[in-house]
Amino acid sequence: AQSVAQPEDQVNVAEGNPLTVKCTYSVSGNPYLFWYVQYPNRGLQFLLKYITGDNLVKGSYGFEAEFNKSQTSFHLKKPSALVSDSALYFCAVRALVTGNKLTFGGGTRVLVKP
Amino acid sequence: EAEVAQSPRYKITEKSQAVAFWCDPISGHATLYWYRQILGQGPELLVQFQDESVVDDSQLPKDRFSAERLKGVDSTLKIQPAELGDSAMYLCASSPQGGGVTEAFFGQGTRLTVV
Repeated sequence: AQSVAQPEDQVNVAEGNPLTVKCTYSVSGNPYLFWYVQYPNRGLQFLLKYITGDNLVKGSYGFEAEFNKSQTSFHLKKPSALVSDSALYFCAVRALVTGNKLTFGGGTRVLVKP
Repeated sequence: EAEVAQSPRYKITEKSQAVAFWCDPISGHATLYWYRQILGQGPELLVQFQDESVVDDSQLPKDRFSAERLKGVDSTLKIQPAELGDSAMYLCASSPQGGGVTEAFFGQGTRLTVV
């Protein structure tokens, strides 16, 4: 079985401040990790992924994420948040040993205040 | 840019009626997923196809839900009869063959309201 936990239902941050959204995972074998963003009444948009190699991965819109194998975490970060970053963020995990099943966390709502 | 197409975008149906959703994945994508997303929650996998074969339907309520992908291309998800608790967003996503390292691409979803 595989699972993803996003411990914060909501993160509030002031515009211009750094943003962090937390994610931990549980999976057998090597994980493939993904972050998606969702705006109201829309599908999910891909932000970035970790497959292998460098633990710090960079993605769209200035987002980055750090893979930490010992802590089984994949936290999403942005150095300077924008009001337009306000949305719902989902972490997801996949593994070859589970047939490429893609499992999502419960989501974290980010609210960036001007 | 290629997209996953879903229809309809919105559907209102009465409980006990049948409802169907359609998904056309990105051309050449072998893996197709159907997810259910309750408002404010994470997507829950209902069924995963590899070409025309079901590889995971462990969370699909098989007494009322069915899914098919007859030619390994587009797919239909059906609910019969619909219940009030089925109100949710239904998302379709696709990935290339062996899609472990490639991200899944999502459609815009179908918002179902059961009244």
